[in-house]
Amino acid sequence: GQQLNQSPQSMFIQEGEDVSMNCTSSSIFNTWLWYKQEPGEGPVLLIALYKAGELTSNGRLTAQFGITRKDSFLNISASIPSDVGIYFCAGQLYSGGSNYKLTFGKGTLLTVNP
Amino acid sequence: DTGVSQNPRHKITKRGQNVTFRCDPISEHNRLYWYRQTLGQGPEFLTYFQNEAQLEKSRLLSDRFSAERPKGSFSTLEIQRTEQGDSAMYLCASSPPPPATNEKLFFGSGTQLSVL
Repeated sequence: GQQLNQSPQSMFIQEGEDVSMNCTSSSIFNTWLWYKQEPGEGPVLLIALYKAGELTSNGRLTAQFGITRKDSFLNISASIPSDVGIYFCAGQLYSGGSNYKLTFGKGTLLTVNP
Repeated sequence: DTGVSQNPRHKITKRGQNVTFRCDPISEHNRLYWYRQTLGQGPEFLTYFQNEAQLEKSRLLSDRFSAERPKGSFSTLEIQRTEQGDSAMYLCASSPPPPATNEKLFFGSGTQLSVL
């Protein structure tokens, strides 16, 4: 089955630093998404990407859909303490009728030191 | 704006007992999903409903698991004869009907199950 490799597993940074994390897949996806999960809560969608090469921003967050359709990265600029959480990449493949399933990575745990 | 609501938030049970979780999706969303998340992992797809029809079940969903959405609104997930390996966070999500695409899932806060 499809697997997503997300790196790094964890990051510990100082407030104000920029952060970069990425996700690679053994197979292609039609859509890449980035979610953030805080303790005791469900994931919340941050950014959705629909075309190879697409670069999309949401405030201090920027994500790109890799040209090969097998990877994506997420950048966070000027991190703040509330950026703390687990960031998940997720891919969606349009495969016949099964285009509703998301495959998630294992997450990147981000800790921001004030 | 009421989001996806899940009850209970936490459930502790003894091995062999049956448990049932409830999910109330966002009211206008006709698509509903169950995912399972274990510690250190991302959510894994379990099952999908469009209105009241269960359109797919993952192989992760053994015969002890059953999900229903009888009136196309709330959904229940039942686990019979629970095992310690069932301990996980069970997440429900919903997404809006067509013409909206279905990749933008709105997740609830989950039900954390601990099987002793």
